[in-house]
Amino acid sequence: GEDVEQSLFLSVREGDSSVINCTYTDSSSTYLYWYKQEPGAGLQLLTYIFSNMDMKQDQRLTVLLNKKDKHLSLRIADTQTGDSAIYFCAEQPNFNKFYFGSGTKLNVKP
Amino acid sequence: DTAVSQTPKYLVTQMGNDKSIKCEQNLGHDTMYWYKQDSKKFLKIMFSYNNKELIINETVPNRFSPKSPDKAHLNLHINSLELGDSAVYFCASSPDSGIWETEQFFGPGTRLTVL
Repeated sequence: GEDVEQSLFLSVREGDSSVINCTYTDSSSTYLYWYKQEPGAGLQLLTYIFSNMDMKQDQRLTVLLNKKDKHLSLRIADTQTGDSAIYFCAEQPNFNKFYFGSGTKLNVKP
Repeated sequence: DTAVSQTPKYLVTQMGNDKSIKCEQNLGHDTMYWYKQDSKKFLKIMFSYNNKELIINETVPNRFSPKSPDKAHLNLHINSLELGDSAVYFCASSPDSGIWETEQFFGPGTRLTVL
């Protein structure tokens, strides 16, 4: 359950939608998370989804979960320059254990 | 009013030295973690402590020894530092609310450079 994979880079124009993808490995993971890391800072939780859901929407953020394919995505609508950061997905196979992906660096061009 | 703090922010040292990184949280959380983020930004869990007791040790070399004097502190001591230990180390904490979904609060990180 340690190989959570994400593409390394994504570049979009301001106002477009961004879609960040993640593939996880542990089908027993009950919750899946998206965190954001701004330069020089720690990670901050953006949103999470319970494994028996297939979609969760939170303002500009939409999380889609395909449990069969173990695929998770984060869509950011109307992407802004302030959204430029590294985005990490994480799976939670045990109560206090989290495996993070390698992070996707989102670059938003004005 | 810092939630999770780490010291030092930067640490530059020679190979073979022993160093410590300190972490404190003022959120009243029961669980604390250490993560290592390498140069490719890959974030890997190292340890997890719940109420001062070690609950997760992710096959980290025994040169790394975490110590939790109380549930608000989790320090990381590293013996005989190696070049491969160079990374950013993040401390995090989370509440033990008895439910699975939990938000981890991360510290700002400690950038360790081993020369």
